[in-house]
Amino acid sequence: GQNIDQPTEMTATEGAIVQINCTYQTSGFNGLFWYQQHAGEAPTFLSYNVLDGLEEKGRFSSFLSRSKGYSYLLLKELQMKDSASYLCAALDSNYQLIWGAGTKLIIKP
Amino acid sequence: NAGVTQTPKFQVLKTGQSMTLQCAQDMNHEYMSWYRQDPGMGLRLIHYSVGAGITDQGEVPNGYNVSRSTTEDFPLRLLSAAPSQTSVYFCASSYSNRENTGELFFGEGSRLTVL
Repeated sequence: GQNIDQPTEMTATEGAIVQINCTYQTSGFNGLFWYQQHAGEAPTFLSYNVLDGLEEKGRFSSFLSRSKGYSYLLLKELQMKDSASYLCAALDSNYQLIWGAGTKLIIKP
Repeated sequence: NAGVTQTPKFQVLKTGQSMTLQCAQDMNHEYMSWYRQDPGMGLRLIHYSVGAGITDQGEVPNGYNVSRSTTEDFPLRLLSAAPSQTSVYFCASSYSNRENTGELFFGEGSRLTVL
């Protein structure tokens, strides 16, 4: 079956760095997405990886290892507004997204 | 630019009632989809469409109907509401499901409670 695993909840301190991991098992693979979702709001796109390696976008970076079925989202210089859920999703061979349950990130002052 | 617009934002139904969630996008996107989001679970695809006149089932289609008569609109119909359909529903669109990015643009969500 197809499956996405990510931690349910993580806590970090304002100004610090946090890494949110995601492992996936899908029928075929056409890319890995990260979305941010603030409580009560819609998900918004953060990043897309299809090749191995690190993609950096400001304070956020996303890494992919296709051979290991693994990705992580790295958030630097954490701000209180980064408190949100982070959703990992893999695009399968039918170009459908398989979603993880999300990681709730709590930022403490 | 409105993006993806969903209505209503909140709705309470009684078991057996029917209703339609509206979704419209003004970005000329070919791909539109409906998801439901439940606590502790990932987003689950209900139905999707890759263009006007074309619809297909997702992971959890039972109890829902869709149509795509225009590129802009993609309504979701609940035929006979059940308590198991209590959820937050999101409409999402993208330029093309098969392009490299496949970035989805989501509506604000519709919170549905079935009593």
